[in-house]
Amino acid sequence: GQNIDQPTEMTATEGAIVQINCTYQTSGFNGLFWYQQHAGEAPTFLSYNVLDGLEEKGRFSSFLSRSKGYSYLLLKELQMKDSASYLCAVSDSNYQLIWGAGTKLIIKP
Amino acid sequence: ETGVTQTPRHLVMGMTNKKSLKCEQHLGHNAMYWYKQSAKKPLELMFVYSLEERVENNSVPSRFSPECPNSSHLFLHLHTLQPEDSALYLCASSQLSSGSSNTGELFFGEGSRLTVL
Repeated sequence: GQNIDQPTEMTATEGAIVQINCTYQTSGFNGLFWYQQHAGEAPTFLSYNVLDGLEEKGRFSSFLSRSKGYSYLLLKELQMKDSASYLCAVSDSNYQLIWGAGTKLIIKP
Repeated sequence: ETGVTQTPRHLVMGMTNKKSLKCEQHLGHNAMYWYKQSAKKPLELMFVYSLEERVENNSVPSRFSPECPNSSHLFLHLHTLQPEDSALYLCASSQLSSGSSNTGELFFGEGSRLTVL
């Protein structure tokens, strides 16, 4: 079967760094997405990785290792507005997205 | 401002009611989706319309009926729902192409929060 695993909840301090991990087992691979979803709002696109390595975009970076079936989202200089759920999703061989259950990130002052 | 709008944002209905959820995308995309989001569960893909043709999803109960009259509009008709159908229903769109550069990025609406009594 196809499976995406990510932690259910994480807590971090304002100004700090947090890494949210995602491991996957899918039939085929056509890229990995990270989305951010604030409570009561639409998920919004953060990043897309299809090749191994690190993609940096401002305070957010996303890493992929295809051989290990592993990705992480790194958030630096955390702000209170970063409190949200972070969804990991993998595009399989049919370009269908397989979703993780999301990681709820709580930022404390 | 989202390019995908959903109405209503909140809906409460009894098990014998018939209601519809509406989605409209203003992005010129050629694919539209209905997802179900329940607490602490992965997003569940319900239906996909690609170039206005429906991709069947046999795991969705027949009490959910989609309709896609054109590439910009998508409906989800609801009939004799069960309390366990209470969830956030998200509509999304994307631009699909045959090229390898297609990332399949989804653009979501803010969802319709459905409560079935």
